[in-house]
Amino acid sequence: DVKVTQSSRYLVKRTGEKVFLECVQDMDHENMFWYRQDPGLGLRLIYFSYDVKMKEKGDIPEGYSVSREKKERFSLILESASTNQTSMYLCAHGGRLSLNTGELFFGEGSRLTVL
Amino acid sequence: KQEVTQIPAALSVPEGENLVLNCSFTDSAIYNLQWFRQDPGKGLTSLLLIQSSQREQTSGRLNASLDKSSGRSTLYIAASQPGDSATYLCAVITGNQFYFGTGTSLTVIP
Repeated sequence: DVKVTQSSRYLVKRTGEKVFLECVQDMDHENMFWYRQDPGLGLRLIYFSYDVKMKEKGDIPEGYSVSREKKERFSLILESASTNQTSMYLCAHGGRLSLNTGELFFGEGSRLTVL
Repeated sequence: KQEVTQIPAALSVPEGENLVLNCSFTDSAIYNLQWFRQDPGKGLTSLLLIQSSQREQTSGRLNASLDKSSGRSTLYIAASQPGDSATYLCAVITGNQFYFGTGTSLTVIP
């Protein structure tokens, strides 16, 4: 079974706090993604990574950063959380797109509330 | 930029009915198309992946078709059950990106 583990299912943080969301996959996939999902807005890509130490901005990177020190681990960082970052955060990973193996697998999600 | 649309946004059917969910996309140059299911408060679960060279995929009561030239995919669910109630999303892969529809919320009434 494919396993994508997100470190926390539910978090409550205060404005200005630093927040770490971690994602670990066990399929040795190159590609990893962080999305946020909000009612009426669908999934929006925050950052993605094609390999270790590589990162690319998605559609809404402002207020976020990422880290990929190991292939299996992709972390999303909110340097100073704000209330408009209250959302469901979804990590995903997939195989190399150029080989037409781009099936995407998602974690269970992390529901972040910023007070 | 690729745009993915799912209509209707919500659908309610009685148990046992066969149903079709629609997904359309604007750029036909896609690698794959993938259908997902999402239960409330949970992540997305992959249902079916159709590669660009394929026209359909089947898994149990689910059948997904792909017509790249017209920019459309359908997800057919046979003999619907209350446990099928969820939001169904499609995603297309264009270039090096995944593009998602906003989903169809399905309710199957016992």
